[in-house]
Amino acid sequence: KNEVEQSPQNLTAQEGEFITINCSYSVGISALHWLQQHPGGGIVSLFMLSSGKKKHGRLIATINIQEKHSSLHITASHPRDSAVYICAVARMNYGGSQGNLIFGKGTKLSVKP
Amino acid sequence: DAGVTQSPTHLIKTRGQQVTLRCSPKSGHDTVSWYQQALGQGPQFIFQYYEEEERQRGNFPDRFSGHQFPNYSSELNVNALLLGDSALYLCASSSTNRVGGYTFGSGTRLTVV
Repeated sequence: KNEVEQSPQNLTAQEGEFITINCSYSVGISALHWLQQHPGGGIVSLFMLSSGKKKHGRLIATINIQEKHSSLHITASHPRDSAVYICAVARMNYGGSQGNLIFGKGTKLSVKP
Repeated sequence: DAGVTQSPTHLIKTRGQQVTLRCSPKSGHDTVSWYQQALGQGPQFIFQYYEEEERQRGNFPDRFSGHQFPNYSSELNVNALLLGDSALYLCASSSTNRVGGYTFGSGTRLTVV
């Protein structure tokens, strides 16, 4: 079982819909990152969370440390939101050969006009 | 406050050649981690540098080497390039004073032909 699980793997939405992407993890963490990657592009950091909730424009990220779960919400989705959204957790303990950051496999979002 | 800067943004090399990628960390950060992201895959940990030394290493061959300079910037070197080395190479910086807080570069896309 992967230490970071994202769902869904793929998501297609109509413009204007409310979108939720989920991330569950099984290790102790010091922080969780939500990242965005457009096709062929680099990574853009959206949020870093260690507790509670953060909001930036139409994006909202929440984390429940006790349940080891985080969600990324997009309100009033737009075709320009189409991208891969990646959850990455920063281990609390030494990462060894895996490093300190563990990445989810990503959620590919496609928003249709 | 500049974030993480990677150069070059794109690069095409021939099989067998050598390549050097560069990363300047966010101001105040002292640790640099490198990741390889093959097309359609999640980022894979290559290594991490702190205090000019390799602190952790992922499962990559010795053809992958690195360096960190006194100003905390870092280089990733790949020798004897293979077609399979074609990928997006990501740099993430962090500070030992702030656990879990990573800042990501936008990546260098390397194509080996």
